[in-house]
Amino acid sequence: SAVISQKPSRDICQRGTSLTIQCQVDSQVTMMFWYRQQPGQSLTLIATANQGSEATYESGFVIDKFPISRPNLTFSTLTVSNMSPEDSSIYLCSVVRPMNTEAFFGQGTRLTVV
Amino acid sequence: AQTVTQSQPEMSVQEAETVTLSCTYDTSESDYYLFWYKQPPSRQMILVIRQEAYKQQNATENRFSVNFQKAAKSFSLKISDSQLGDAAMYFCAYRSPYSGGGADGLTFGKGTHLIIQP
Repeated sequence: SAVISQKPSRDICQRGTSLTIQCQVDSQVTMMFWYRQQPGQSLTLIATANQGSEATYESGFVIDKFPISRPNLTFSTLTVSNMSPEDSSIYLCSVVRPMNTEAFFGQGTRLTVV
Repeated sequence: AQTVTQSQPEMSVQEAETVTLSCTYDTSESDYYLFWYKQPPSRQMILVIRQEAYKQQNATENRFSVNFQKAAKSFSLKISDSQLGDAAMYFCAYRSPYSGGGADGLTFGKGTHLIIQP
């Protein structure tokens, strides 16, 4: 498995502001992903965080709204920009280690926008 | 695009009994991976079991086993000797082989809420 530290664990934010979520892994990983889980819903992939290049976004998600950085093989950030109440969700970081097939998840960030 | 369907929003089982959670998926790929994840109220996603599509043998992990029917595109999870700690949301997930082209994330079903009756 992988030890994944995701911060903050929760936050309450004012609409129109931005929040940056950090994901730190205890060892180098091949792939890092960001997911959104809206209240009572399943997980939806936002983007793949690529090391040293722009993230690959899924349909319905754009870089201006969800900028992602991945400066090295163990760290990534997701920013939720210009937040509205509709952005209230749990955001989860996920990683895949070299030679593994399964994905491991951070504990998630519960974001409430008021 | 692949889709994953879990048709049981909620299931209930008596402690110590067996329960089966259903999952079907749609894909045109021949090689892929399937997973069951558990999400307790702590919201931590925990991998329960995985299955490689090229393997005919059904995966087993202690009390958890799957019934993988590739032709039917079905991937059900059987939990034997249910325990109170098994209570959680269970998500079925699909993943293509890694390509590095942005299609490497998981596609999840909507989940099944499993209740364990003491």
